[in-house]
Amino acid sequence: DAVMTQSPLSLPVTLGQPASISCRSSQSLVHSDGYTHLNWFQQRPGQSPRRLIYKVSDRDSGVPDRFSGSGSGTDFTLKISRVEAEDVGVYYCMQGTFWPYTFGQGTKLEIK
Amino acid sequence: EVQLVESGGVVVQPGGTLRLSCGASGFTFAHYQMHWVRQAPGKGLEWVSLISGDGGLTHYIDSVRGRFTISRDNSKNSLYLQMDSLRTEDTGFYYCARDLSGSIDYWGQGTLVTVSS
Repeated sequence: DAVMTQSPLSLPVTLGQPASISCRSSQSLVHSDGYTHLNWFQQRPGQSPRRLIYKVSDRDSGVPDRFSGSGSGTDFTLKISRVEAEDVGVYYCMQGTFWPYTFGQGTKLEIK
Repeated sequence: EVQLVESGGVVVQPGGTLRLSCGASGFTFAHYQMHWVRQAPGKGLEWVSLISGDGGLTHYIDSVRGRFTISRDNSKNSLYLQMDSLRTEDTGFYYCARDLSGSIDYWGQGTLVTVSS
């Protein structure tokens, strides 16, 4: 199975400041279809997960443009340019290149 | 609007049986692979099972293979998870989710399964 490792696991951020979460895979996530199926999800307290980013850097409709994804191969990053109060929650990366799909451990973002 | 609504979560004793359901609307259900993903209290997300659009292909995580069975009824736009020989470590929220080419694009609100004596 592809092991997904996130860092940091806890991320205290001051409102208006940037934030960055790293996700590393134990193997390259380039699929035979040519795409890299690396996704980012946000889970706000008491809610189900919501997809933010797919195929490394494609942002879902309705997701603020302060969220961006980047990376390739085995190393990926989710960046929030200016953190807002509504961004509090846990962020997960997930690979969809190999079966089974696997998630990172989650990064808890909180406001300092 | 895509909607996924899970039901069936209850408190059950270890060794017991449970069937979860997920009703889908807002899209052509038969065209999509569907997942069950779970989350133990205060823990991260864990993919559990997948079924193809026609129901002919299924996948399971090792820890549930042989105990859980995923199925679907496309005439009823419904997804199911039959859970047998339940263990305390199966406790958590179970989410129904839609697959889209190497991703999960929609999630239900989840249903809570508690395995406890």
